[in-house]
Amino acid sequence: AQTVTQSQPEMSVQEAETVTLSCTYDTSESNYYLFWYKQPPSRQMILVIRQEAYKQQNATENRFSVNFQKAAKSFSLKISDSQLGDTAMYFCAFMGGTSYGKLTFGQGTILTVHP
Amino acid sequence: DGGITQSPKYLFRKEGQNVTLSCEQNLNHDAMYWYRQDPGQGLRLIYYSQIVNDFQKGDIAEGYSVSREKKESFPLTVTSAQKNPTAFYLCASRKEGRDFGYTFGSGTRLTVV
Repeated sequence: AQTVTQSQPEMSVQEAETVTLSCTYDTSESNYYLFWYKQPPSRQMILVIRQEAYKQQNATENRFSVNFQKAAKSFSLKISDSQLGDTAMYFCAFMGGTSYGKLTFGQGTILTVHP
Repeated sequence: DGGITQSPKYLFRKEGQNVTLSCEQNLNHDAMYWYRQDPGQGLRLIYYSQIVNDFQKGDIAEGYSVSREKKESFPLTVTSAQKNPTAFYLCASRKEGRDFGYTFGSGTRLTVV
Protein backbone atom coordinates (compact mmCIF):
# COMPACT_ATOMS: atom_id res chain seq x y z
CA ALA A 1 0.00 0.00 0.00
CA GLN A 2 1.13 3.51 -0.70
CA THR A 3 1.75 6.02 2.04
CA VAL A 4 2.18 9.76 1.87
CA THR A 5 3.83 11.72 4.67
CA GLN A 6 3.78 15.45 5.28
CA SER A 7 6.05 16.10 8.24
CA GLN A 8 5.17 19.77 8.74
CA PRO A 9 1.78 20.18 10.45
CA GLU A 10 2.03 23.97 10.29
CA MET A 11 4.13 26.53 8.43
CA SER A 12 4.11 30.29 8.27
CA VAL A 13 5.64 32.80 5.88
CA GLN A 14 5.69 36.53 5.35
CA GLU A 15 3.88 37.99 2.38
CA ALA A 16 6.10 38.12 -0.76
CA GLU A 17 8.56 35.56 0.59
CA THR A 18 9.13 31.97 -0.50
CA VAL A 19 8.10 28.84 1.39
CA THR A 20 8.63 25.13 0.74
CA LEU A 21 6.27 22.39 1.90
CA SER A 22 7.65 18.88 2.20
CA CYS A 23 6.14 15.58 1.12
CA THR A 24 7.54 12.07 0.96
CA TYR A 25 5.83 8.96 -0.28
CA ASP A 26 6.37 5.25 -0.41
CA THR A 27 5.40 3.03 -3.33
CA SER A 28 6.58 0.04 -5.30
CA GLU A 29 4.95 1.27 -8.49
CA SER A 30 6.99 2.76 -11.30
CA ASN A 31 4.16 4.64 -12.99
CA TYR A 32 2.27 7.12 -10.84
CA TYR A 33 1.14 10.71 -10.42
CA LEU A 34 1.66 13.20 -7.63
CA PHE A 35 -0.48 16.19 -6.73
CA TRP A 36 -0.63 19.16 -4.44
CA TYR A 37 -4.11 20.31 -3.42
CA LYS A 38 -5.04 23.50 -1.60
CA GLN A 39 -7.97 23.66 0.83
CA PRO A 40 -8.76 27.23 1.91
CA PRO A 41 -11.13 28.01 4.81
CA SER A 42 -14.08 27.45 2.45
CA ARG A 43 -12.92 23.80 2.42
CA GLN A 44 -13.17 23.59 -1.38
CA MET A 45 -10.35 21.38 -2.68
CA ILE A 46 -8.35 23.10 -5.42
CA LEU A 47 -5.68 21.44 -7.54
CA VAL A 48 -2.45 23.41 -7.32
CA ILE A 49 -0.05 21.35 -9.39
CA ARG A 50 0.53 17.81 -10.61
CA GLN A 51 3.53 15.76 -11.68
CA GLU A 52 3.72 12.62 -13.74
CA ALA A 53 6.44 10.32 -12.44
CA TYR A 54 7.83 9.49 -15.88
CA LYS A 55 8.53 13.16 -16.55
CA GLN A 56 11.92 14.26 -15.26
CA GLN A 57 11.15 17.94 -15.60
CA ASN A 58 9.66 19.52 -12.50
CA ALA A 59 6.16 20.92 -12.96
CA THR A 60 5.51 24.64 -12.57
CA GLU A 61 2.30 26.66 -12.42
CA ASN A 62 2.91 30.39 -12.11
CA ARG A 63 4.20 30.96 -8.53
CA PHE A 64 4.01 27.26 -7.67
CA SER A 65 6.70 24.74 -8.52
CA VAL A 66 7.71 21.31 -7.32
CA ASN A 67 11.01 19.60 -6.61
CA PHE A 68 10.40 15.99 -7.63
CA GLN A 69 13.13 13.60 -6.52
CA LYS A 70 11.99 10.19 -7.74
CA ALA A 71 14.81 8.16 -6.25
CA ALA A 72 14.33 9.79 -2.86
CA LYS A 73 10.52 9.60 -3.21
CA SER A 74 10.24 13.25 -2.36
CA PHE A 75 7.79 15.79 -3.79
CA SER A 76 8.08 19.26 -2.25
CA LEU A 77 6.05 22.33 -3.17
CA LYS A 78 7.64 25.75 -3.45
CA ILE A 79 5.44 28.82 -3.30
CA SER A 80 7.16 32.00 -4.47
CA ASP A 81 6.02 35.55 -3.77
CA SER A 82 3.55 34.30 -1.17
CA GLN A 83 0.19 36.05 -1.06
CA LEU A 84 -2.42 36.32 1.68
CA GLY A 85 -4.75 34.20 -0.46
CA ASP A 86 -2.27 31.32 -0.25
CA THR A 87 -3.30 30.80 3.38
CA ALA A 88 -4.81 27.30 3.39
CA MET A 89 -4.30 23.65 4.21
CA TYR A 90 -2.11 21.97 1.60
CA PHE A 91 -2.33 18.26 0.86
CA CYS A 92 0.14 16.14 -1.02
CA ALA A 93 -1.50 13.21 -2.82
CA PHE A 94 -0.43 10.09 -4.71
CA MET A 95 -2.22 8.22 -7.49
CA GLY A 96 -0.81 4.91 -8.67
CA GLY A 97 -0.91 3.99 -12.32
CA THR A 98 -3.04 0.95 -11.60
CA SER A 99 -5.09 2.32 -8.70
CA TYR A 100 -8.31 3.14 -10.60
CA GLY A 101 -7.85 6.79 -9.85
CA LYS A 102 -7.76 6.43 -6.09
CA LEU A 103 -5.86 9.16 -4.31
CA THR A 104 -3.81 8.62 -1.16
CA PHE A 105 -3.42 11.84 0.81
CA GLY A 106 -0.89 13.08 3.30
CA GLN A 107 -1.97 14.52 6.63
CA GLY A 108 -1.83 18.10 5.38
CA THR A 109 0.18 21.22 6.19
CA ILE A 110 -1.52 24.39 7.40
CA LEU A 111 0.16 27.36 5.74
CA THR A 112 -0.39 30.86 7.10
CA VAL A 113 0.80 33.88 5.14
CA HIS A 114 1.35 36.95 7.34
CA PRO A 115 1.11 40.53 6.04
CA ASP B 1 -21.70 25.19 -15.94
CA GLY B 2 -20.68 21.64 -15.20
CA GLY B 3 -19.81 20.68 -11.69
CA ILE B 4 -20.34 18.41 -8.75
CA THR B 5 -22.95 19.20 -6.11
CA GLN B 6 -23.05 17.87 -2.58
CA SER B 7 -26.01 18.33 -0.29
CA PRO B 8 -26.75 19.19 2.36
CA LYS B 9 -23.86 21.41 3.44
CA TYR B 10 -24.51 20.60 7.12
CA LEU B 11 -26.20 17.50 8.48
CA PHE B 12 -27.02 16.43 12.02
CA ARG B 13 -27.58 12.82 12.97
CA LYS B 14 -29.03 11.37 16.10
CA GLU B 15 -27.56 8.24 17.62
CA GLY B 16 -28.82 5.12 15.84
CA GLN B 17 -30.00 6.92 12.71
CA ASN B 18 -28.99 6.32 9.12
CA VAL B 19 -28.39 9.42 7.03
CA THR B 20 -27.73 9.82 3.32
CA LEU B 21 -25.38 12.36 1.77
CA SER B 22 -26.10 13.36 -1.79
CA CYS B 23 -23.52 13.74 -4.57
CA GLU B 24 -24.53 14.68 -8.14
CA GLN B 25 -22.31 15.56 -11.10
CA ASN B 26 -23.11 16.79 -14.61
CA LEU B 27 -19.59 16.47 -15.96
CA ASN B 28 -20.19 13.11 -17.65
CA HIS B 29 -17.41 11.69 -15.50
CA ASP B 30 -17.17 7.93 -15.23
CA ALA B 31 -15.62 7.53 -11.79
CA MET B 32 -16.86 8.87 -8.48
CA TYR B 33 -15.32 8.78 -5.01
CA TRP B 34 -16.21 9.45 -1.38
CA TYR B 35 -13.58 10.65 1.07
CA ARG B 36 -13.76 11.39 4.77
CA GLN B 37 -11.72 14.20 6.30
CA ASP B 38 -10.78 14.29 9.98
CA PRO B 39 -8.42 16.77 11.64
CA GLY B 40 -4.80 15.69 11.39
CA GLN B 41 -5.53 12.67 9.19
CA GLY B 42 -5.96 14.06 5.72
CA LEU B 43 -8.56 12.48 3.46
CA ARG B 44 -9.35 8.79 3.54
CA LEU B 45 -11.20 6.85 0.86
CA ILE B 46 -14.56 5.34 1.82
CA TYR B 47 -15.97 3.98 -1.46
CA TYR B 48 -15.43 4.46 -5.15
CA SER B 49 -17.24 3.58 -8.35
CA GLN B 50 -15.88 3.41 -11.87
CA ILE B 51 -19.10 2.53 -13.70
CA VAL B 52 -22.82 2.43 -13.08
CA ASN B 53 -24.04 -0.43 -10.87
CA ASP B 54 -20.53 -1.20 -9.65
CA PHE B 55 -18.58 0.10 -6.67
CA GLN B 56 -15.67 -0.96 -4.45
CA LYS B 57 -14.74 -0.47 -0.82
CA GLY B 58 -12.01 1.95 0.03
CA ASP B 59 -9.84 2.01 3.13
CA ILE B 60 -12.56 2.83 5.67
CA ALA B 61 -15.81 1.39 4.27
CA GLU B 62 -17.15 -0.10 7.52
CA GLY B 63 -20.38 1.55 8.60
CA TYR B 64 -21.01 3.11 5.18
CA SER B 65 -22.94 2.06 2.07
CA VAL B 66 -23.28 3.48 -1.43
CA SER B 67 -25.20 2.98 -4.66
CA ARG B 68 -24.51 3.93 -8.27
CA GLU B 69 -27.78 3.54 -10.17
CA LYS B 70 -27.09 6.51 -12.42
CA LYS B 71 -23.85 7.84 -13.85
CA GLU B 72 -24.59 11.26 -12.37
CA SER B 73 -25.32 10.19 -8.81
CA PHE B 74 -23.31 8.50 -6.05
CA PRO B 75 -25.09 8.83 -2.67
CA LEU B 76 -23.38 7.81 0.55
CA THR B 77 -25.35 6.38 3.49
CA VAL B 78 -23.81 6.63 6.93
CA THR B 79 -25.36 3.81 8.91
CA SER B 80 -25.81 3.38 12.64
CA ALA B 81 -22.92 0.91 12.50
CA GLN B 82 -20.50 3.80 11.94
CA LYS B 83 -19.50 4.58 15.50
CA ASN B 84 -17.74 7.85 14.91
CA PRO B 85 -19.44 9.53 11.94
CA THR B 86 -18.74 13.16 12.84
CA ALA B 87 -16.49 14.36 10.01
CA PHE B 88 -16.31 16.34 6.79
CA TYR B 89 -17.27 14.29 3.73
CA LEU B 90 -16.03 15.08 0.24
CA CYS B 91 -17.31 13.63 -3.00
CA ALA B 92 -15.23 13.74 -6.17
CA SER B 93 -15.47 12.64 -9.78
CA ARG B 94 -12.97 11.88 -12.51
CA LYS B 95 -13.10 11.04 -16.19
CA GLU B 96 -11.38 7.78 -17.06
CA GLY B 97 -8.40 7.87 -19.32
CA ARG B 98 -5.41 10.13 -19.38
CA ASP B 99 -7.35 13.01 -17.93
CA PHE B 100 -6.74 12.01 -14.33
CA GLY B 101 -7.82 15.22 -12.71
CA TYR B 102 -10.38 15.19 -9.93
CA THR B 103 -13.30 17.55 -9.51
CA PHE B 104 -14.34 17.87 -5.87
CA GLY B 105 -17.67 18.85 -4.42
CA SER B 106 -17.91 21.47 -1.69
CA GLY B 107 -18.43 18.90 1.06
CA THR B 108 -20.93 17.95 3.76
CA ARG B 109 -20.23 18.44 7.44
CA LEU B 110 -21.90 15.64 9.43
CA THR B 111 -22.32 15.99 13.18
CA VAL B 112 -23.75 13.48 15.62
CA VAL B 113 -26.04 15.08 18.21
